[in-house]
Amino acid sequence: AQSVTQLGSHVSVSEGALVLLRCNYSSSVPPYLFWYVQYPNQGLQLLLKYTTGATLVKGINGFEAEFKKSETSFHLTKPSAHMSDAAEYFCAVRKDSSYKLIFGSGTRLLVRP
Amino acid sequence: DAGVIQSPRHEVTEMGQEVTLRCKPISGHDYLFWYRQTMMRGLELLIYFNNNVPIDDSGMPEDRFSAKMPNASFSTLKIQPSEPRDSAVYFCASSFVDGRPSSGNTIYFGEGSWLTVV
Repeated sequence: AQSVTQLGSHVSVSEGALVLLRCNYSSSVPPYLFWYVQYPNQGLQLLLKYTTGATLVKGINGFEAEFKKSETSFHLTKPSAHMSDAAEYFCAVRKDSSYKLIFGSGTRLLVRP
Repeated sequence: DAGVIQSPRHEVTEMGQEVTLRCKPISGHDYLFWYRQTMMRGLELLIYFNNNVPIDDSGMPEDRFSAKMPNASFSTLKIQPSEPRDSAVYFCASSFVDGRPSSGNTIYFGEGSWLTVV
């Protein structure tokens, strides 16, 4: 069975600092991997996704993530945090044979002025 | 193109009442998903449809929950009778499967229906 682990339910960074949100997955086959962002009282918005090809994926709002098969990881990064990045971030995995998304428990990003 | 549209956005109801949540997927999408989000359990997939047919309802918590998709542009999630533990945000999402691995078949979410059962 597939699963997704997000390390750290809360991450706090200063404005302008590097953002690193960790995601590890377990899957017996190459997965499709996603990061979604949820702003307060809103739905989930796709940040970026890895399907095939280049392992470094760039998304919206300056975020990027790198698929590392050897580490079964798909960590999300942003070089410089902005106050508007404060939100909850979800990593998700989907196996090719199923169209279900399995979500991690989420990481709430706090950005300090 | 309009996104996934859900209604109502907010509902407060009394225990024992019937609740119906509605969803209009993105036009042309052939998969529809219902998720539930709570603090304790995070995001859970309740059920999903392909071409209006339920494919996997293993996440539906119990018989009080039912979902239908009478046509490609409308789905409902019904709770009868509702209980306080059903209080959650219910998300509808849709996706189009085009068969290309590179597309990833992204799932697009609605804004959610915030349900409170008192």
